[in-house]
Amino acid sequence: EAQVTQNPRYLITVTGKKLTVTCSQNMNHEYMSWYRQDPGLGLRQIYYSMNVEVTDKGDVPEGYKVSRKEKRNFPLILESPSPNQTSLYFCASSLSLSGAYEQYFGPGTRLTVT
Amino acid sequence: GENVEQHPSTLSVQEGDSAVIKCTYSDSASNYFPWYKQELGKRPQLIIDIRSNVGEKKDQRIAVTLNKTAKHFSLHITETQPEDSAVYFCAAINSMEYGNKLVFGAGTILRVKS
Repeated sequence: EAQVTQNPRYLITVTGKKLTVTCSQNMNHEYMSWYRQDPGLGLRQIYYSMNVEVTDKGDVPEGYKVSRKEKRNFPLILESPSPNQTSLYFCASSLSLSGAYEQYFGPGTRLTVT
Repeated sequence: GENVEQHPSTLSVQEGDSAVIKCTYSDSASNYFPWYKQELGKRPQLIIDIRSNVGEKKDQRIAVTLNKTAKHFSLHITETQPEDSAVYFCAAINSMEYGNKLVFGAGTILRVKS
């Protein structure tokens, strides 16, 4: 089954404790992206990757890191989480952005930083 | 960069009535306009999209119209049903420019009252 998976689905952590949210897709998609969703603000892009070893900042990259060592995986790293990073996070993948194809979203990770 | 505004932020309609959600974009070079639906607790999923060489597209009860001159596009849902209740996001991108990203509107909460 073609899908995007994320782990964990729910996470409660404390300020400053490093965490990683994993994202994996099995569709051989070139493009992967991370979004955060906050009430009234829609989906805001954190980072994106056009291909392996190619990543770039989105609209709200501060406090986040990503890596793209393999085509299928695109982990999101919070080196020192803060309460303002409490949010719902979605990973997404797409065949390509140049052709403007459908983005497939993962199930989401609800993160709470206390 | 691109900026997308979406209205209204909430919309309540009676079952069987029509619903219209409107988005405006700023970049006249944008050429791809998808609409995503997000049911409560679920991931966003593409429901319909339109490219700039087309003025209207229909898929059963949903349709999207695009006015390039005015830089706005709209989602039309006819004969609304309770299962249409969800958050709807519009988005826009200039897919011909390398590195461009999909920019989302803030979302519209649609409630269909039965």
